[in-house]
Amino acid sequence: AQSVTQLGSHVSVSEGALVLLRCNYSSSVPPYLFWYVQYPNQGLQLLLKYTSAATLVKGINGFEAEFKKSETSFHLTKPSAHMSDAAEYFCAVSKPNNNNDMRFGAGTRLTVKP
Amino acid sequence: ETGVTQSPTHLIKTRGQQVTLRCSSQSGHNTVSWYQQALGQGPQFIFQYYREEENGRGNFPPRFSGLQFPNYSSELNVNALELDDSALYLCASSLISVGQETQYFGPGTRLLVL
Repeated sequence: AQSVTQLGSHVSVSEGALVLLRCNYSSSVPPYLFWYVQYPNQGLQLLLKYTSAATLVKGINGFEAEFKKSETSFHLTKPSAHMSDAAEYFCAVSKPNNNNDMRFGAGTRLTVKP
Repeated sequence: ETGVTQSPTHLIKTRGQQVTLRCSSQSGHNTVSWYQQALGQGPQFIFQYYREEENGRGNFPPRFSGLQFPNYSSELNVNALELDDSALYLCASSLISVGQETQYFGPGTRLLVL
């Protein structure tokens, strides 16, 4: 079975500071990995995805994530936080070429302080 | 905007009642997945439909059922509602094809069971 663990249910950063949201995965097959963002009272928006090509993946809004097989990690980063980045972030894993039964982490709430 | 729409946006039911939630997929997508997101948690996979057939199911009881129509719109039906069914219900559409594993989420229907 596949699963993801997001370390830290809440992360707070100052505007302009580095954003680092942690995600570790468990999978019996090479995984596909995703980061989604959810703003209050909205659905999920895809930030970026890893599908076994380049290990460093760039997404929207200046976010990127690096797939590290040796660490079973897929941490999300952004060099400089903006107030508009405040939201809930979810890491998710699925099997290759099969989005049936995508598994999500519990989420990390990002707060950005002025 | 993902092109995925859901109705209604909010719904209040009482325990024991039945509810039907609706989803309209993004144009060209042939797959729809439904997720339950309890407050403060990540989405949990309920089931997926591909070409009008169930294509995988998560750990949810049979009183959760679904339909996918020829125009790829979809319904989620929940019978004998329980208090714990209170949650945000998300649908996500995708195209089953190599390299097209991304799921696009609707805004969700928030269900409250009293």
